[in-house]
Amino acid sequence: GEDVEQSLFLSVREGDSSVINCTYTDSSSTYLYWYKQEPGAGLQLLTYIFSNMDMKQDQRLTVLLNKKDKHLSLRIADTQTGDSAIYFCAETGGYNKLIFGAGTRLAVHP
Amino acid sequence: DAGVTQSPTHLIKTRGQHVTLRCSPISGHKSVSWYQQVLGQGPQFIFQYYEKEERGRGNFPDRFSARQFPNYSSELNVNALLLGDSALYLCASSPSATTSGANVLTFGAGSRLTVL
Repeated sequence: GEDVEQSLFLSVREGDSSVINCTYTDSSSTYLYWYKQEPGAGLQLLTYIFSNMDMKQDQRLTVLLNKKDKHLSLRIADTQTGDSAIYFCAETGGYNKLIFGAGTRLAVHP
Repeated sequence: DAGVTQSPTHLIKTRGQHVTLRCSPISGHKSVSWYQQVLGQGPQFIFQYYEKEERGRGNFPDRFSARQFPNYSSELNVNALLLGDSALYLCASSPSATTSGANVLTFGAGSRLTVL
């Protein structure tokens, strides 16, 4: 079945790295995504990775994909207070929709 | 360029009423998708429309319906509202129908519906 799981909460100190983890179930997913949602806002695409890759780096963001274990992670380097938000992992669910996890709330404190 | 725009941003309805939510996609995008996000959960797929045709439907009752117009804008309609329909309704547009890395979904800010 289709299911994406994430830990619900992560607290980090400003300047540290944050690592948000996600597991998915559909081994046929071709793309995996990370979206960010700030309070009262819609979803902002952060990055995505093709399933034949195991790593993708984009400035402060690093995505790691372990396809064997169906595990995806998002690392944010030098985490800032502006990174405080809810982060959603998503997999392609068929050709025309995304399956989202419940989201990980990231809290950044001084 | 304007992003995905949705209206209204907030609305309050009572049980049994009907609601219509509207979405304008990014210029040039022909696909519109609707998602429901209940508080504390991730978005759930409701519909996808491409070139005015329904291309996908999630696990939602027939009280939910949608359509896409010739200018690619879209409406989501919900009849006989229930308390459980209270949620943020997100619209997303993309250039084509297939969900892939090159065809990413761009989301609007959503319409927050409260059913009393």
